[in-house]
Formats: sequence, C-alpha cells, structure tokens
Amino acid sequence: NAGVTQTPKFQVLKTGQSMTLQCAQDMNHEYMSWYRQDPGMGLRLIHYSVGAGITDQGEVPNGYNVSRSTTEDFPLRLLSAAPSQTSVYFCASSPDSSYNSPLHFGNGTRLTVT
Amino acid sequence: RKEVEQDPGPFNVPEGATVAFNCTYSNSASQSFFWYRQDCRKEPKLLMSVYSSGNEDGRFTAQLNRASQYISLLIRDSKLSDSATYLCVVNDGNTGFQKLVFGTGTRLLVSP
Repeated sequence: NAGVTQTPKFQVLKTGQSMTLQCAQDMNHEYMSWYRQDPGMGLRLIHYSVGAGITDQGEVPNGYNVSRSTTEDFPLRLLSAAPSQTSVYFCASSPDSSYNSPLHFGNGTRLTVT
Repeated sequence: RKEVEQDPGPFNVPEGATVAFNCTYSNSASQSFFWYRQDCRKEPKLLMSVYSSGNEDGRFTAQLNRASQYISLLIRDSKLSDSATYLCVVNDGNTGFQKLVFGTGTRLLVSP
C-alpha cells in the first residue's frame, strides 16, 4: 500500500513563482489536510477537506489554495511564492473527520523560496 | 500561551532508562489526545492515542489528567531506536471534528 504520496520531495522556487504540491492517498480516506512545519513552531494546519468538493481554511491559509475534486487527491497551490513560505509541507489523511481519528502523513515536501 | 506546550529537551538518557515527558494544553474543551513520533527529517507517525483512563502499549504508557490539562508519556527500558522527537497532539475542542493542534515536540536521545 502506498498510503499518502507527496510530490515533489524537494523544490526550490524564486519569489513570485507559483507551483502545486501534489498529495494522493489510496486508502479511501474522507479527511485530508495540509500542514507546514517550521523550526520552533510545531506543525500548523493550512487547509483541510472533509470530503470531495469540501474544503476549509486552517490556521495559516494565506498564500495557499486547495481543491478536492476527487477523494484521492488534495493538491496545494502556492499562488505567488514568498520566502516566508520556505518550510516543510506535510499532507495527511484520516478515515473520517471525527475528532478521534488519527492522521496518516506523507513523506513531506521541502520547499525553499529564494 | 501556546495551545500545546512541551519541554523541547533534549532528554539524554542511557539505554534501559525510564524517561517521562509531559505536555500541557490550554483548551479545556479538547476531546482527543495523541502522541506522535517524528524521526529526523521524516514524517510524524502515530505512537499512541491517549485515553482518559490511561493506556499502555508495550514499553509506552500514556496518561491524561483533564483537571490539570496535561498529558504524559512514559517510556520504560529505553532503546537506541527510541531516539526521536515526540509530539503531543490535541484536537481543537472548539470544532466537532478533526482539527489537531501540535506541540513543538520533545527530543529524546538514547545513548549506549
């Protein structure tokens, strides 16, 4: 089982460029989410989705867009990259959106914006 | 005050030692609690959920104190492979569904 797959693993962008971080899961999970992890900050929720066609903002949504057209895929789009978006990005999923449903994480994408 | 606070460590212990981490959370409405483990430059992985009555999984014991709003993780007979960062995770009690808040983690180093 592949679980949660993120691509690319590494990316370097110039300020102002746009890109999409891909996330796919093959576990038929309803709930998917994006986090960013910065030193000393812990993981912070960017956007999440409780099912296909439904998305909502997390704690730090500015500068990012998401969509959920299928159950499997939940891409994260950076509209105009800024150095403050240099971070490690994790996609995560869980079987449902109930409060006690633990998360399964992808391997992460390390993004550097120069 | 941070929503979830942990001592960053590092905790340096010899193999075979017992070590305990605490974590405090600020939202009294939080309903679910977890410990995740994160190895260097890897993704977090669920170590165990934390139940009100306390629970054990092999060498790992988790406890929840709702009155004082803290969670603990006890590791007995530490192994070299236990070296990692341990993340305390609490759900945002203000929503009825999955919205987890992560602590910054406690780093554990187990030496021979």
